[in-house]
Amino acid sequence: QKEVEQDPGPLSVPEGAIVSLNCTYSNSAFQYFMWYRQYSRKGPELLMYTYSSGNKEDGRFTAQVDKSSKYISLFIRDSQPSDSATYLCAMRYYGGSQGNLIFGKGTKLSVKP
Amino acid sequence: DARVTQTPRHKVTEMGQEVTMRCQPILGHNTVFWYRQTMMQGLELLAYFRNRAPLDDSGMPKDRFSAEMPDATLATLKIQPSEPRDSAVYFCASGLSQLDTQYFGPGTRLTVL
Repeated sequence: QKEVEQDPGPLSVPEGAIVSLNCTYSNSAFQYFMWYRQYSRKGPELLMYTYSSGNKEDGRFTAQVDKSSKYISLFIRDSQPSDSATYLCAMRYYGGSQGNLIFGKGTKLSVKP
Repeated sequence: DARVTQTPRHKVTEMGQEVTMRCQPILGHNTVFWYRQTMMQGLELLAYFRNRAPLDDSGMPKDRFSAEMPDATLATLKIQPSEPRDSAVYFCASGLSQLDTQYFGPGTRLTVL
């Protein structure tokens, strides 16, 4: 079993839809959770970062963490064609040499006008 | 506009040839990461450096891959000899520390024939 599981999609939605992207993880030692957005032929860029259970909102984006279920989600409200990209979840342990990120494989999202 | 730069952006080579990829981290960032991204495996950490010293290269095939930081403005990833299974996109990322946000470069798309 991989440490981080993410449905690769692809996921296609109409413009304006609410999008839900999810990852599950197996190791309860993960404490920091991130969502990266990767446009085609580009490097990933950090979208959201959280370290506690609950919700964190930033504009149209909401990151949700449920540590008891080992489950994280990214919600996109009023989705736009410009949101079309691959979304990767990432997580890490706390400190030391375990500070590097473990990534999900990414979910490819397409928002149709 | 501070960015991580990578050269070359694309490289096509034949099996057995040496490949060198270069990365210029964001000025002032003392931590540099090398990742490889494939459809099958997703984004995988190969190695990372702090203050030019290698901290972890456990993700890198040691017999053919080597990573160095000759100075604070240049990181290199070398493959010798290259094999078709090395075909992937190689990303460099930099950050203020191993626990800080990682900023990714645009990647080097490597094809080994």
